Amino acid sequence: AQRVTQPEKLLSVFKGAPVELKCNYSYSGSPELFWYVQYSRQRLQLLLRHISRESIKGFTADLNKGETSFHLKKPFAQEEDSAMYYCALSKKNTDKLIFGTGTRLQVFP
Amino acid sequence: EAQVTQNPRYLITVTGKKLTVTCSQNMNHEYMSWYRQDPGLGLRQIYYSMNVEVTDKGDVPEGYKVSRKEKRNFPLILESPSPNQTSLYFCASKDLETQYFGPGTRLLVL
Repeated sequence: AQRVTQPEKLLSVFKGAPVELKCNYSYSGSPELFWYVQYSRQRLQLLLRHISRESIKGFTADLNKGETSFHLKKPFAQEEDSAMYYCALSKKNTDKLIFGTGTRLQVFP
Repeated sequence: EAQVTQNPRYLITVTGKKLTVTCSQNMNHEYMSWYRQDPGLGLRQIYYSMNVEVTDKGDVPEGYKVSRKEKRNFPLILESPSPNQTSLYFCASKDLETQYFGPGTRLLVL
């Protein structure tokens, strides 16, 4: 069965500290992985996708097929990064997204 | 502006009183979907639609109906709401790569 696991409900760090939000998935095949972010009182929006291999707002995520992980990282957290982060998986060439339960990132000044 | 809109944004109702949450997109997307977001459970898909007149159940369809009579609209219908349907609901539409989410509808069923 396809599943996305985000083990941490809450991650609190100080400004300037490194951040890693964990995401593990289970899927037999080649998945497409995404990170979505939801700032306070705003809609969910795409942060980045693994196929793009891009860095958005200083965040990066590398797909590790051996460990079935897609952790989100940022070397120096900012207060404006405080938000809810969702990891999501999509079967290749399909439209359905399977979301993890989310991790709330709190960045303190 | 390309966007997904939902109405109403907030709704308080009572058990058993039928309600409809509208969703509209102006991006000519074929795929649309409804999710509910609950604390500790993340987003779970309720129903989705691959195109006009093509709808299918997601992971938590019980107690919900949808229709897709035209490409831009995908309303979510609760025929007889119950308190366990109190939640935050998101509509989304998708192009080839990305899902775009609406602002959300917060529903409270008393």
